[in-house]
Amino acid sequence: QIVLTQSPAIMSASPGEKVTLTCSASSSVSSSYLYWYQQKPGSSPKLWIYSTSNLASGVPARFSGSGSGTSYSLTISSMEAEDAASYFCHQWSSYPPTFGGGTKLEIK
Amino acid sequence: DVQLQESGPGLVKPSQTVSLTCTVTGISITTGNYRWSWIRQFPGNKLEWIGYIYYSGTITYNPSLTSRTTITRDTSKNQFFLEMNSLTAEDTATYYCAREMVGIDYWGQGTTLTVSS
Repeated sequence: QIVLTQSPAIMSASPGEKVTLTCSASSSVSSSYLYWYQQKPGSSPKLWIYSTSNLASGVPARFSGSGSGTSYSLTISSMEAEDAASYFCHQWSSYPPTFGGGTKLEIK
Repeated sequence: DVQLQESGPGLVKPSQTVSLTCTVTGISITTGNYRWSWIRQFPGNKLEWIGYIYYSGTITYNPSLTSRTTITRDTSKNQFFLEMNSLTAEDTATYYCAREMVGIDYWGQGTTLTVSS
């Protein structure tokens, strides 16, 4: 199965700071089947980005996604307090679907 | 609005079997092209996909769990189910039911399962 490795595991950012989270795959992933989820404590994950770069409904435009092959990223152009959460990447390119271990993003 | 709600016993003993129910409202689970899935999240937040039942009734499991997992459905009640046997403490997790097509766009609130004697 494809192993997704997210880095960093934990990070903190100041309001207004640009943030980049990365997701590295052990084998090539089709960009059509790479997703990102946001999860806040006590809540279920929410679909945040689908097919590498498409924002889910209601996701602020300061978020973006990019990547191909084995390297993907989620970027926040200007960190806001409400963006503090855990972010998980997920692939359905290869069976079985797998998730990254997550990045916990904190606000400074 | 689409909603999913899990239910389960909360606490089971090692070696026992658990059955979890997902009740879906707002859409029929026989609506085309959706996969109705079970996903679990362990303490420490690692996520694991368990399997799904397709709208057509086709079922696919994670190969790591296929020997002790069964997913079924009751279309008359718009519910689908997860049964898992030979439980150990390592199965302690929050279990989510969810809808997938392009990504997992709807999740239940999750039900916590603790396996302990």
